Amino acid sequence: GDSVTQMEGPVTLSEEAFLTINCTYTATGYPSLFWYVQYPGEGLQLLLKATKADDKGSNKGFEATYRKETTSFHLEKGSVQVSDSAVYFCAHPRRDSNYQLIWGAGTKLIIKP
Amino acid sequence: GAGVSQSPRYKVAKRGQDVALRCDPISGHVSLFWYQQALGQGPEFLTYFQNEAQLDKSGLPSDRFFAERPEGSVSTLKIQRTQQEDSAVYLCASSLEIEETQYFGPGTRLLVL
Repeated sequence: GDSVTQMEGPVTLSEEAFLTINCTYTATGYPSLFWYVQYPGEGLQLLLKATKADDKGSNKGFEATYRKETTSFHLEKGSVQVSDSAVYFCAHPRRDSNYQLIWGAGTKLIIKP
Repeated sequence: GAGVSQSPRYKVAKRGQDVALRCDPISGHVSLFWYQQALGQGPEFLTYFQNEAQLDKSGLPSDRFFAERPEGSVSTLKIQRTQQEDSAVYLCASSLEIEETQYFGPGTRLLVL
């Protein structure tokens, strides 16, 4: 069945370090892929998305490229800030639904000054 | 403009009590979703409304869970005879149309003692 697998957290980095959070998925076809972010005490926010293979989504310095060959959508940022500390979720729609999202378990990111 | 709001933000209930959780979606958003998020997990879909019609309630875990959106705007998720396993964060999201980006509220953290 459809699923999303993310790297386990927490991921702890120093400020200005390079970030990669891995996400791989299983799905029938080529669904849109999403990264959501949940800052402490706040709701989930869409960070970026890609709707087809080879698309690159980007926002706030974060990027992720839709790789159908490796069924991956890894999140990257060249230089993280303390304010990036949050929980990051990878997701895609279920095959038989255009609104039910399949979510990864989330990766907690901690950035130390 | 205002985002999705939820109330209360925190709720402590004794086992067996009934609770009601409120969601105010973004004005004009047709679609409304409820999710349950256990600690350290991604959200799990509960139910979906299009205007006042509940089109999908396949994710509701038991008949103790009931959701309504009588006027196609505010929605209430009711849990009857709460159990400890109902402890979770309940998220509400809305979108302009069914396939559009979902905007999430901050969630209601429910603790059943």
